Amino acid sequence: DGGITQSPKYLFRKEGQNVTLSCEQNLNHDAMYWYRQDPGQGLRLIYYSQIVNDFQKGDIAEGYSVSREKKESFPLTVTSAQKNPTAFYLCASSMGAGARGDTQYFGPGTRLTVL
Amino acid sequence: AQSVTQLDSQVPVFEEAPVELRCNYSSSVSVYLFWYVQYPNQGLQLLLKYLSGSTLVKGINGFEAEFNKSQTSFHLRKPSVHISDTAEYFCAVSEKGGSEKLVFGKGTKLTVNP
Repeated sequence: DGGITQSPKYLFRKEGQNVTLSCEQNLNHDAMYWYRQDPGQGLRLIYYSQIVNDFQKGDIAEGYSVSREKKESFPLTVTSAQKNPTAFYLCASSMGAGARGDTQYFGPGTRLTVL
Repeated sequence: AQSVTQLDSQVPVFEEAPVELRCNYSSSVSVYLFWYVQYPNQGLQLLLKYLSGSTLVKGINGFEAEFNKSQTSFHLRKPSVHISDTAEYFCAVSEKGGSEKLVFGKGTKLTVNP
């Protein structure tokens, strides 16, 4: 079964702790994305990667970091510098490599709550 | 830079009634347009997209959308909704020839009542 998996589904963090959200895809896609979703705010882009070992900041990258060491994996770390990290986090992937009007495929999401 | 405005944050309708969810966009270049659906506590699923050609696009679950370049709109329609269509719907845009990044609207929550 091809798709995108995110783990864990629910994550609780104490203030001041870093936490890493996992995203894996077996669609052989080049491009991967991380979004943050808050109620009534739509999706906002945190980071994206169009190829292995390269990534770019999105609109709200402050307080987050990523790595792209393997094509199928794009983990997101929420650092203690992120002042309001409680949100629903969505990972997506697409064919990339200049694919025209590329469709992004989404994982099921991770809900992060800061206690 | 692009932007997307979804004019209604909530749309309640009765089952079997028609529905239109409105989306307007702003961009200085040509764009691709998308509608996604999100069921509670899940990821997003593509309903349909406009790349080029015919301005009327048909998608999954009986939805369709019409691209209107002069009005910079891409409204989503369904002639008869079901209870199972209750979900949040997002309009999104990406620039032609750009990085394929999507810019999303804030979403419209569709509630279908019996």
